[in-house]
Amino acid sequence: DQQVKQNSPSLSVQEGRISILNCDYTNSMFDYFLWYKKYPAEGPTFLISISSIKDKNEDGRFTVFLNKSAKHLSLHIVPSQPGDSAVYFCAAISNSGYALNFGKGTSLLVTP
Amino acid sequence: ETGVTQSPTHLIKTRGQQVTLRCSSQSGHNTVSWYQQALGQGPQFIFPYYREEENGRGNFPPRFSGLQFPNYSSELNVNALELDDSALYLCASSLERGRSYEQYFGPGTRLTVT
Repeated sequence: DQQVKQNSPSLSVQEGRISILNCDYTNSMFDYFLWYKKYPAEGPTFLISISSIKDKNEDGRFTVFLNKSAKHLSLHIVPSQPGDSAVYFCAAISNSGYALNFGKGTSLLVTP
Repeated sequence: ETGVTQSPTHLIKTRGQQVTLRCSSQSGHNTVSWYQQALGQGPQFIFPYYREEENGRGNFPPRFSGLQFPNYSSELNVNALELDDSALYLCASSLERGRSYEQYFGPGTRLTVT
């Protein structure tokens, strides 16, 4: 049973524009959410995270928004750059365990 | 600061065989978790090792087992390999639960079972 869902397998955005990647979850016990970026032949790289007690966290060009009532989070990348082209995974974890629960990923392509 | 390393990079095994994969954690991290990533899927949690003990398990059978050593490095062992075990195996290191939720991944070992 997929507890974290990324319903868009792919997204194409022009360089300089905003990229918005979405993620939904079903388990209300999750209290920490993370985004990872993955290039081919590499492991996932931690990008940004947010605690369930916050609704926004910003780090440079990357901002994560959390809507707990809707069980929805999104990652905004502004401005998008060609080097951002990768697969982005949303993950969630509860404070009682070690398991990161991942979505299936969204492949982002940023075109010049 | 040394990142997470894994060996080998690639491995080809025959159904029924056994395999051992290795992981060295990032310096300063004492917890190692293992994940399996099948093609087109997100990583699936196998189990974590903290203080040289397994601390919980995802939906994987007992033929998946592991070890953690005093220097926090870890091994993943898979017995009686099946074709469906073909995947990218990732290890992730972290500080113990409660201090940090971020897990940092190695490059993975690509296992092919024929």
